[in-house]
Amino acid sequence: AQSVTQPDIHITVSEGASLELRCNYSYGATPYLFWYVQSPGQGLQLLLKYFSGDTLVQGIKGFEAEFKRSQSSFNLRKPSVHWSDAAEYFCAVGASGTYKYIFGTGTRLKVLA
Amino acid sequence: SQTIHQWPATLVQPVGSPLSLECTVEGTSNPNLYWYRQAAGRGLQLLFYSVGIGQISSEVPQNLSASRPQDRQFILSSKKLLLSDSGFYLCAWSGGLAGGDTQYFGPGTRLTVL
Repeated sequence: AQSVTQPDIHITVSEGASLELRCNYSYGATPYLFWYVQSPGQGLQLLLKYFSGDTLVQGIKGFEAEFKRSQSSFNLRKPSVHWSDAAEYFCAVGASGTYKYIFGTGTRLKVLA
Repeated sequence: SQTIHQWPATLVQPVGSPLSLECTVEGTSNPNLYWYRQAAGRGLQLLFYSVGIGQISSEVPQNLSASRPQDRQFILSSKKLLLSDSGFYLCAWSGGLAGGDTQYFGPGTRLTVL
């Protein structure tokens, strides 16, 4: 069965430090991969997505993610975190040929001043 | 540009009362529509999705139902709410590419069942 795992429930980093949020997926074929961000009490906003081609994907707000097929991973990175990045981050998989998306349980990011 | 609306933004309802949450999309036609529920620490749970008017797929057995009376309108309903129905409900839409299109989310409805 398809699944998405975000092993870190909470992450705390200092402002200006680098960030990596982990995402592992289980899927039989090449998936469509997404990262979303959610501020408290709001909907989700797309950060970036991977469909095919270059495995390093650039997104909004200075985020990037790298698709590694051999590790079934799609980790999100940012070289220097800003206090406004504090939010919850969700990794998702779109299953080719279906209309369903599978979300991880999210990683809550706290940024220390 | 496309926009997605949800209302109400917040709702407090007693156990056993009915529910109706509405979602509308503007600026696109024939979208795929989705209802998710988000409980604290549990990520997003897909409740229903629809690929066309009157076409509803249910993902989780529960006392909720969904309807799509118009192309860009998606309604989540219940005849009798349970305490466990409390949560944050999100509506989303995507384009026609199965599994491959970006989902765009509404602002959500916070439902508290007392």
